[in-house]
Amino acid sequence: QKEVEQNSGPLSVPEGAIASLNCTYSDRGSQSFFWYRQYSGKSPELIMFIYSNGDKEDGRFTAQLNKASQYVSLLIRDSQPSDSATYLCAVVYGGSQGNLIFGKGTKLSVKP
Amino acid sequence: GAGVSQSPSNKVTEKGKDVELRCDPISGHTALYWYRQRLGQGLEFLIYFQGNSAPDKSGLPSDRFSAERTGESVSTLTIQRTQQEDSAVYLCASSPGTGNSPLHFGNGTRLTVT
Repeated sequence: QKEVEQNSGPLSVPEGAIASLNCTYSDRGSQSFFWYRQYSGKSPELIMFIYSNGDKEDGRFTAQLNKASQYVSLLIRDSQPSDSATYLCAVVYGGSQGNLIFGKGTKLSVKP
Repeated sequence: GAGVSQSPSNKVTEKGKDVELRCDPISGHTALYWYRQRLGQGLEFLIYFQGNSAPDKSGLPSDRFSAERTGESVSTLTIQRTQQEDSAVYLCASSPGTGNSPLHFGNGTRLTVT
C-alpha cells in the first residue's frame, strides 16, 4: 500500500529559526512532490513542488528531494509567526494524477 | 483569474436529509478531486474525475455518497440520508490533469449534520 508519512507534530520553533519538515513515501515510482500549507479553518494552498533530486529554493522556502532515500523535506528559513500552520506533503505515484496521496500533515508553531 | 468555486460555503442539515454540494473548477482543468476533512484531521480522498474517463470512486465511504461531473465542468457531490459522522469540510480541487500539475483548492463547504 502506497503511503506518505509525516510527523504530526506540533513542531515548535522560535521566530527567526529554521523549521525543517520531513515527509517519507513508500513507493520508488513516485514522480512529483508537493508541499501545501493549510492555515486553521482554511483550504490548503500550494507552497512548492519538486520533481528532481536535489534542492529547489523559493524565497525563504527550500524543498529537498532524495529519491534514493524516499524522502522530501521543506525548510523554512527565518521562520515567522505567520508561518504557523499545518504543512501537507503530497506525492504522485506513477505519473498519474489519480495516484495523488496526501500525508496527514505536520503542525508548525513559530513562537515570537 | 477565477479559482475553484464551491457552494454553499456552509450547510446545516438535519440527520436523514440529503445534501448536494457543488464545485466549479478552474476553466480548462480536466482533473477534479473531492476530499473530506474532519476537524483536526487530514485530507480524506473521496473521488477523482479526469476528463471523460471513468471516475475513481475508491474513496467514497459508503453508498450514501455519490458524485457526478459532466465533461470538464461543474461537479456535484451528493450525500443521501446524512449522518452526524458526515459533518466535515468537503474540499474540491482541480488541476490541468498532467502528472506534474499541482492542485488548486476551493474554499470548501462546511457541512454540519444535527
